[in-house]
Amino acid sequence: ILNVEQSPQSLHVQEGDSTNFTCSFPSSNFYALHWYRWETAKSPEALFVMTLNGDEKKKGRISATLNTKEGYSYLYIKGSQPEDSATYLCALSGAGGTSYGKLTFGQGTILTVHP
Amino acid sequence: NAGVTQTPKFRVLKTGQSMTLLCAQDMNHEYMYWYRQDPGMGLRLIHYSVGEGTTAKGEVPDGYNVSRLKKQNFLLGLESAAPSQTSVYFCASSSRLARTDTQYFGPGTRLTVL
Repeated sequence: ILNVEQSPQSLHVQEGDSTNFTCSFPSSNFYALHWYRWETAKSPEALFVMTLNGDEKKKGRISATLNTKEGYSYLYIKGSQPEDSATYLCALSGAGGTSYGKLTFGQGTILTVHP
Repeated sequence: NAGVTQTPKFRVLKTGQSMTLLCAQDMNHEYMYWYRQDPGMGLRLIHYSVGEGTTAKGEVPDGYNVSRLKKQNFLLGLESAAPSQTSVYFCASSSRLARTDTQYFGPGTRLTVL
């Protein structure tokens, strides 16, 4: 079973602050790293998928980086807004077709942005 | 295009009662999954299916059964509910052809077992 760790478990920031959190995973067992955003009472929604060491993805004020050699990914939010409040989940997928698309999720980071 | 839908959205059961959660997807995805989400635990895979008529156990299958009689539907059954099964249940689907295994989630079912 893959061990995917996220830190911190929760985070409170003020509107306008920039923030980041971490996803750690075994560097020897990697195919793709996913970030999802899960807002309360909604479905988890895919943010990014990264497969290559050094990958960087950006969507608006949110960006992510990937280091497969050391086994971590960072998610950054620039100028946090209250609507960014959500649980951010990272997940690892296995070796493509043989894993049947299964994802192993971390426990999530709960972000609360205070106005 | 509804994506992934789940029925019901909320349910309260008494210990020992049974129920079935229905997941439906209209994206013609081959793979479907049932997860449970508990505080501090992330999403844990209960069962999954790689195609019509096939199912397999995930990380936490005990106490649950599943069926995939039609490609678009994946049912999760609780034969005798226990308080430990109080959770939020998510269904998801993905395409066999997608290289990166992105999963698409339903809105969740919040189940309370008293």
